[in-house]
Amino acid sequence: ELKVEQNPLFLSMQEGKNYTIYCNYSTTSDRLYWYRQDPGKSLESLFVLLSNGAVKQEGRLMASLDTKARLSTLHITAAVHDLSATYFCAVDASGSRLTFGEGTQLTVNP
Amino acid sequence: EPEVTQTPSHQVTQMGQEVILRCVPISNHLYFYWYRQILGQKVEFLVSFYNNEISEKSEIFDDQFSVERPDGSNFTLKIRSTKLEDSAMYFCASSPAPAFYEQYFGPGTRLTVT
Repeated sequence: ELKVEQNPLFLSMQEGKNYTIYCNYSTTSDRLYWYRQDPGKSLESLFVLLSNGAVKQEGRLMASLDTKARLSTLHITAAVHDLSATYFCAVDASGSRLTFGEGTQLTVNP
Repeated sequence: EPEVTQTPSHQVTQMGQEVILRCVPISNHLYFYWYRQILGQKVEFLVSFYNNEISEKSEIFDDQFSVERPDGSNFTLKIRSTKLEDSAMYFCASSPAPAFYEQYFGPGTRLTVT
């Protein structure tokens, strides 16, 4: 059974600081997705990572995938309050289902 | 920009009642999914659907659940006899193909079973 683990689960950081969220998974896969969820809202797609070594950047967020280590990272640069949300990684190991991590609840304080 | 839509946004039902949650996937997508998220927890896969049949289902998707594509646009999730533990946010998603394509999520239906 595929297990996807994120850490930390809760992250409180100050504006302007950098931090990294980690996503480990237990089964071989080269398809990993990052989603953002605001309270009471749906899942917004952030990044689609489809190969080993894939790196994607959008604004203050950068995601990478190391399929050999079964690890993805979501790096936050110079955080701003608007980035406060819950971030989920999700792994596709079967081609027809996403297995989500527990989510990282990020709070950026002024 | 095309998007997945879901109705209703919130459904309150009594234990033991049947509910049908509706979704309209993005029009040229062929693969459809249901996920659920119990409040404060992670998102869990329920079922995937392609070519008018279930492709994969999770252990959560027992005989109480069924899915259907009754016409060319709607995709429904039926829960036959709701239980308190079915209370959750239910998300529909669609993708043009499995694997290598992201799944686009709808806004969700919050189901409250009393």
